[in-house]
Amino acid sequence: NAGVMQNPRHLVRRRGQEARLRCSPMKGHSHVYWYRQLPEEGLKFMVYLQKENIIDESGMPKERFSAEFPKEGPSILRIQQVVRGDSAAYFCASSWEGRGLGELFFGEGSRLTVL
Amino acid sequence: AQSVSQHNHHVILSEAASLELGCNYSYGGTVNLFWYVQYPGQHLQLLLKYFSGDPLVKGIKGFEAEFIKSKFSFNLRKPSVQWSDTAEYFCAVISDNAGNMLTFGGGTRLMVKP
Repeated sequence: NAGVMQNPRHLVRRRGQEARLRCSPMKGHSHVYWYRQLPEEGLKFMVYLQKENIIDESGMPKERFSAEFPKEGPSILRIQQVVRGDSAAYFCASSWEGRGLGELFFGEGSRLTVL
Repeated sequence: AQSVSQHNHHVILSEAASLELGCNYSYGGTVNLFWYVQYPGQHLQLLLKYFSGDPLVKGIKGFEAEFIKSKFSFNLRKPSVQWSDTAEYFCAVISDNAGNMLTFGGGTRLMVKP
């Protein structure tokens, strides 16, 4: 089985532009989680999705950030009007069981740099 | 809310030295505990996990961790490290008071000198 696939691996944006990060979960997994890792900090939970549903977005900033996991295609984390503070590594994880009861499998991350 | 503390941010050891990385969590209810490792340039991988049963958990690559409920701790150990253990290690907790979301500690960067 292919693992969790994230793209792009590296993304550079100027302030004010939009960033779109994509995540394809492992085959058979219907639960997707997004985490953000700021420099010198641990991973912070952002959002938990199932197909076509946002289950928990308690870790998402209230503005500019959105996430979706459509019926077909990858999950997308979208950041509008990026600012320098958005520069971070964004990790996607998937699981077969929900609510983290099973093991989470992580992608290699997407590193966003905002100039 | 759940929080996880890893007190050692950077650890430098020589090969064959013993390793112990500390992990403490804040919630005293039902918890599931994990250690993940991130090798340079790679994704996070699960080292070991504790759900219930024997509090001494064996993981991959010779790692083990001990769940001590009275101390709210889940320290990671390895008797003899190798250069290839150079990586960042993350402790993580799922608790029933945090929506069962996986909460990570800040990570510990381990460098093993050959």
